[in-house]
Amino acid sequence: EAQVTQNPRYLITVTGKKLTVTCSQNMNHEYMSWYRQDPGLGLRQIYYSMNVEVTDKGDVPEGYKVSRKEKRNFPLILESPSPNQTSLYFCASSLSPGSGNTIYFGEGSWLTVV
Amino acid sequence: AQKVTQAQTEISVVEKEDVTLDCVYETRDTTYYLFWYKQPPSGELVFLIRRNSFDEQNEISGRYSWNFQKSTSSFNFTITASQVVDSAVYFCALRRGYSSASKIIFGSGTRLSIRP
Repeated sequence: EAQVTQNPRYLITVTGKKLTVTCSQNMNHEYMSWYRQDPGLGLRQIYYSMNVEVTDKGDVPEGYKVSRKEKRNFPLILESPSPNQTSLYFCASSLSPGSGNTIYFGEGSWLTVV
Repeated sequence: AQKVTQAQTEISVVEKEDVTLDCVYETRDTTYYLFWYKQPPSGELVFLIRRNSFDEQNEISGRYSWNFQKSTSSFNFTITASQVVDSAVYFCALRRGYSSASKIIFGSGTRLSIRP
């Protein structure tokens, strides 16, 4: 079954404590991306990756890091989380960018930073 | 610039009413793709439909229908005979149609509440 899997699904953490949200896809997709969803703002892109070792900033990259060492994994790293990073996070993947290929989303990760 | 506007922040209707969710997009590209996603209270994003810019045929899937009009840059979504299970946030999205297109651009969403 085609899947994008995110972990953890729910997390409450404290300011400054490094955390990683993992994302894995089983479809051999080239393109992966992270979004955050905030009320009234829709989904905004944090980082994206066109392929292994190719990553770039999206619209709201501050406070986040990513890596793409393997095609299937695209972890999102918050080195020093702050309360304004409290949000719902989605990982997405598709076969290739710039196409009508189906975009698959993970189930979302609810992150609260206190 | 690319942009997607969903002007209706919230809509509330009584069950069995028809409801239309508006989506207006901006792009100068000739090739692009439009999507609708549903986000139920559980939070996941459920894919509903994809259209490419060269296909203006309207589409119907059960109680759902989509009206794509390039002349007005709109891609509206209608639910006929709405049901309580249709209550969700609905997102319209745009993706550019070239190989280095890096993101999907989402509207801010419309929260639809169906009252019994």
